[in-house]
Order: sequence, then structure tokens, then C-alpha cells
Amino acid sequence: GQNIDQPTEMTATEGAIVQINCTYQTSGFNGLFWYQQHAGEAPTFLSYNVLDGLEEKGRFSSFLSRSKGYSYLLLKELQMKDSASYLCAVDPGGYQKVTFGTGTKLQVIP
Amino acid sequence: DTGVSQDPRHKITKRGQNVTFRCDPISEHNRLYWYRQTLGQGPEFLTYFQNEAQLEKSRLLSDRFSAERPKGSFSTLEIQRTEQGDSAMYLCASSQGTSGSYANTGELFFGEGSRLTVL
Repeated sequence: GQNIDQPTEMTATEGAIVQINCTYQTSGFNGLFWYQQHAGEAPTFLSYNVLDGLEEKGRFSSFLSRSKGYSYLLLKELQMKDSASYLCAVDPGGYQKVTFGTGTKLQVIP
Repeated sequence: DTGVSQDPRHKITKRGQNVTFRCDPISEHNRLYWYRQTLGQGPEFLTYFQNEAQLEKSRLLSDRFSAERPKGSFSTLEIQRTEQGDSAMYLCASSQGTSGSYANTGELFFGEGSRLTVL
């Protein structure tokens, strides 16, 4: 089975840096996704980590440690529009389904 | 617009009625997922298809839920004898599926969802 944990809520200040953690225990592992979801909208793709290490994409970076079953999403120079839920999802590979965590609701305050 | 379309976007129905949702994935995608999402929760897996084959169905789903993907193209999700607990956003997503190649992310592209309200 799959077990994915992330904090329920976080608050951060505009212009700051925030790190959203995700830990997972899964029966297989091919990669880990991060998605952003604004209220009332569909999730949108942010990143997909297959190998250990940090991948940077503009203000967003994602880190993966497969041996520790751990990932984080790093958001720099926070903007008010970054207020959203951030979903961690594991791709077990093969014919197994992609499973999502419950999401972390991030509130950016002035 | 991700290229995945869902219909209807909103559905209000009375308890006990049947409802059907349709999803048109990105044409070259072989994998199609259905998820259900309630307020404050992440997407909960319902079922998914690899081409026309239904590979897995969540054990949480009762027999009132059925999904099809004839000819491996569009998919329908039917809920029979709806209950108030079925009220949720039903999300469809499609992907190429993971091939083991790093170049193929297997990214899921989501539709805008179909919001169901059962009165």
C-alpha cells in the first residue's frame, strides 16, 4: 500500500521562503510529483523527481531522498498568489496507480 | 487549458438519482484516472485505465460506482442511487504512463473537474 504524509496547513510571509515536507512509504517507487491547487481549481503540475537531489525551476525547487522516503518543495520569494494547496503524489511505477497525499494548504500573508 | 475536458462541470441531483460524468483525455494518452476530492482533502483514487483496460478500482468504492473507457478514448463514470456522501469534485486526469524513461515524466494532466451536489 501507499502512505503519504504532509503537514495540513502552513503560513508564511510574502517575500519569504517556505519548505513543505512530504514523507512516504510505498510498495514501489518510480518518482514523486508536486502539484499546486488553487481553491476551486484542478491541480497543476509543478515538478517530478526521479533521482535524489534538488531540482530547481524558477522560484520553486523540489528535493528527493529515496533512501529516506522524503521530499520537500521549496518556494522562494513568496507571492500572495502562491496561496494554494500543495499536493505530494507518489508514482510507484509499472501498472500501479499514482497516489496523492492530503495536501498542504499554504497561506501567504502580507 | 490542459487538454483534458470534463462534462458536466456542475451537477445538482436529488438523492437516489443516477448521474454520469464524461472525461475526454488528451488523445495520445494511454492512461486515464478518476479521482474524487472533497474540501480540504487531496484527490482520492477511484479507478484508472490503461487504454481500455480498467486496471484497478478502489476498495472504497461501492458497487454503485462504475466506470468505462470504450476503445481506450473517452471515459464515463456513473454513480447509481446517489447519496449525500457522494457530493464531491470528481477529477479526471490522463497521462502517457511511466515507461521507465526519465524523459517521460508520466505527468498527470487534470481536467477542470465535475462538481456533484446531492440534495
